[in-house]
Amino acid sequence: DIQLTQSPSFLSASVGDRVTITCRASQGISSYLAWYQQKPGKAPKLLIYAASTLQSGVPSRFSGSGSGTEFTLTISSLQPEDFATYYCQQLNSYPITFGQGTRLEIK
Amino acid sequence: QLQLQESGPGLVKPSETLSLTCTVSGGSISSSSYYWGWIRQPPGKGLEWIGSIYYSGSTYYNPSLKSRVTISVDTSKNQFSLKLSSVTAADTAVYYCARTVTYAGGMDVWGQGTTVTVSS
Repeated sequence: DIQLTQSPSFLSASVGDRVTITCRASQGISSYLAWYQQKPGKAPKLLIYAASTLQSGVPSRFSGSGSGTEFTLTISSLQPEDFATYYCQQLNSYPITFGQGTRLEIK
Repeated sequence: QLQLQESGPGLVKPSETLSLTCTVSGGSISSSSYYWGWIRQPPGKGLEWIGSIYYSGSTYYNPSLKSRVTISVDTSKNQFSLKLSSVTAADTAVYYCARTVTYAGGMDVWGQGTTVTVSS
């Protein structure tokens, strides 16, 4: 199985900050990586697919980059609604796996 | 607009079989552009992929659950289903169904999730 390790696991930031979350894969996954946002009691929401493609309707302050084994999700200017938990996911091979999550909280 | 809705019992006894159905509305389940899957999330924990199915019936399962999982599709009803046998308390979770876009498209549409508790 491909392991995904996110860092940090917890992040405290302020509105307007630029934040970056990293996802490292245990082996190369090309660009078969997605990012999700999940708020309490809600289903995950797809933000980025194919490592860097913004899902329709997602604000442009979200961006993704990387390929192979190292990927990043960047939020250019945090908004109040962005405080949530973020997960990366690899779709390169079965079993599909998720990172452990990064909880983003208000400082 | 495509919507997914999970349905099934919210309480299952240990050693019994958990059965859930995901109904797809606003679009057809019979498309080669997508596949359909189940994901679960134990209380306070992360996401775990359970398995996926194509409209043709081809299935892929998480090896950690493979011996207990069956996913099936009913194209006539625009539904797909999950059966998880011999459940224990460790199977207590929110269960989501989701659509995955083929070729690295990600899981773009999710159901709202249904909580299943395993308890006697």
